[in-house]
Amino acid sequence: DAGITQSPRHKVTETGTPVTLRCHQTENHRYMYWYRQDPGHGLRLIHYSYGVKDTDKGEVSDGYSVSRSKTEDFLLTLESATSSQTSVYFCAIRTTGAITDTQYFGPGTRLTVL
Amino acid sequence: DAKTTQPNSMESNEEEPVHLPCNHSTISGTDYIHWYRQLPSQGPEYVIHGLTSNVNNRMASLAIAEDRKSSTLILHRATLRDAAVYYCIPERTGANNLFFGTGTRLTVIP
Repeated sequence: DAGITQSPRHKVTETGTPVTLRCHQTENHRYMYWYRQDPGHGLRLIHYSYGVKDTDKGEVSDGYSVSRSKTEDFLLTLESATSSQTSVYFCAIRTTGAITDTQYFGPGTRLTVL
Repeated sequence: DAKTTQPNSMESNEEEPVHLPCNHSTISGTDYIHWYRQLPSQGPEYVIHGLTSNVNNRMASLAIAEDRKSSTLILHRATLRDAAVYYCIPERTGANNLFFGTGTRLTVIP
């Protein structure tokens, strides 16, 4: 499982409240990702990080911010949660192979915004 | 960009082979084709990848067409545990992430 944990695993919150999701890895991988998964959309990239304090936006980054102050942790923050952010959120790391790279995913966080 | 087409769903009987097709007609010549799957209530997991030659590992085989415009993931003997959504993901040159479509939902019938 590449040593990836996500917390919390489930969260229910109200519209307008801030929410932070945590992704933790134990193997010092450089690249970390946050995806969201909604019915009919597959997984869509929110933000990714390519090193400590180095982050970039994905295709659905509006309303989200991220931080990576140390290699092992990648935080996803919803500054003011909205019902459209109800989703399952997956964190992933990327391993670099000799030929190509592979991503390994965490177990997911189910977020409900009421 | 390599646009990907997969059937929305497929069924297979348990212990029979399953061939999951994928069309990726615009893939560039040096981009790998990756397959991931997602079991119910879990994150996606890597299955296999290849470039031009057919590939085998303990989970599956990958058959890639000579023109690389399509590929087929082969599960040699489907088990109930193989029921999942299977994603065919061509790399995109220069991209740092994977682009997931909606995949093929495989149902395995006992």
